[in-house]
Amino acid sequence: EAGVTQSPTHLIKTRGQQATLRCSPISGHTSVYWYQQALGLGLQFLLWYDEGEERNRGNFPPRFSGRQFPNYSSELNVNALELEDSALYLCASSPRTGTNEQFFGPGTRLTVL
Amino acid sequence: AQSVTQPDIHITVSEGASLELRCNYSYGATPYLFWYVQSPGQGLQLLLKYFSGDTLVQGIKGFEAEFKRSQSSFNLRKPSVHWSDAAEYFCAVGGSTGGFKTIFGAGTRLFVKA
Repeated sequence: EAGVTQSPTHLIKTRGQQATLRCSPISGHTSVYWYQQALGLGLQFLLWYDEGEERNRGNFPPRFSGRQFPNYSSELNVNALELEDSALYLCASSPRTGTNEQFFGPGTRLTVL
Repeated sequence: AQSVTQPDIHITVSEGASLELRCNYSYGATPYLFWYVQSPGQGLQLLLKYFSGDTLVQGIKGFEAEFKRSQSSFNLRKPSVHWSDAAEYFCAVGGSTGGFKTIFGAGTRLFVKA
């Protein structure tokens, strides 16, 4: 069974640009979560999508947005990039069993210059 | 409000020595508890989980954790650490009442010395 996949592995952008990160969940999982892991700051919850709907978002500005497609894959978009957006962005998926067990992808390393 | 505290930012142990990583949580209902491990630049891998039943949970790579409701703790242990265990460890708590809410601790970085 394939795990959670993310693309690209690395992404380099400059300030003010937009970044798009992609995530494919494990087959059969309907929920996708996005986290930001900046250096020394642990995992910060960004967004949760389930069945195509945004269910919750963390304490991030509106320039962080995303969507979930009918096949349950997801995109995270970051507009007007700032230097402090440089981080590892992790995607996780889970089935709708209510146990909240999340399976993580390898992450996308975003560097903003 | 639910929260997870990992009191130790980093820990150094000698190879072959025992290990205990602390985790305390705050949650109003029956929690689901997890330990994840992250190698540098990688995603998180689930080590073990507790949902119900036996409070001593066995995981992968020789790790175990014990749920102590009275102390609101879920400490991770390993009897003999290997150099390959050097990584960052995250404790997490999720709700048994449905919904997504999983809260992660700040992590504990484990260093293993020869």
